[in-house]
Amino acid sequence: DGGITQSPKYLFRKEGQNVTLSCEQNLNHDAMYWYRQDPGQGLRLIYYSQIVNDFQKGDIAEGYSVSREKKESFPLTVTSAQKNPTAFYLCASSIAGGEQFFGPGTRLTVL
Amino acid sequence: KQEVTQIPAALSVPEGENLVLNCSFTDSAIYNLQWFRQDPGKGLTSLLLIQSSQREQTSGRLNASLDKSSGRSTLYIAASQPGDSATYLCAVFFTGGGNKLTFGTGTQLKVEL
Repeated sequence: DGGITQSPKYLFRKEGQNVTLSCEQNLNHDAMYWYRQDPGQGLRLIYYSQIVNDFQKGDIAEGYSVSREKKESFPLTVTSAQKNPTAFYLCASSIAGGEQFFGPGTRLTVL
Repeated sequence: KQEVTQIPAALSVPEGENLVLNCSFTDSAIYNLQWFRQDPGKGLTSLLLIQSSQREQTSGRLNASLDKSSGRSTLYIAASQPGDSATYLCAVFFTGGGNKLTFGTGTQLKVEL
């Protein structure tokens, strides 16, 4: 059953903590993306990766970090430097320049 | 600046009505355009992808058109059903836009019985 999985579904973070969101895909896609969604705003790109061991900053990368050590995995770390991390985080993948497919999302709340 | 706009932000129609959702974009140099559906608290579901060289794409009751010269795309939904209620998002892959999709803020559709 091909697709994109994200975990956990809900995540709670205390102030000053780093947390890592998981994204895995078995679609054999080279490109993977992380977006942030806030109420009333469109999706905003945090980071993307076109190939293993390479990634680029998106529009709102400050306070976030990523790694791409395996083709199927693209974890996102929300660091304590991100001042307003409460949001819905979405991971996506695609072939280069092709149709993007999304995971079910992780809702992060800062306590 | 490359931007995507969707108007209206919300739309309510009676069941069975045919409807059109609008998407406009500021730069005609695009690689492709994608329409998505999002249910509350869920991820995005891809509905249709239109390549730059295409004028329209169809899937079941959905038809998406693309007019690059005017910077517009429409999503036509035939014979709407309550199950079509969701937020519909348009996203554009601009040429030279940094290998990413630029999203509109969506149209929230409610189909009433």
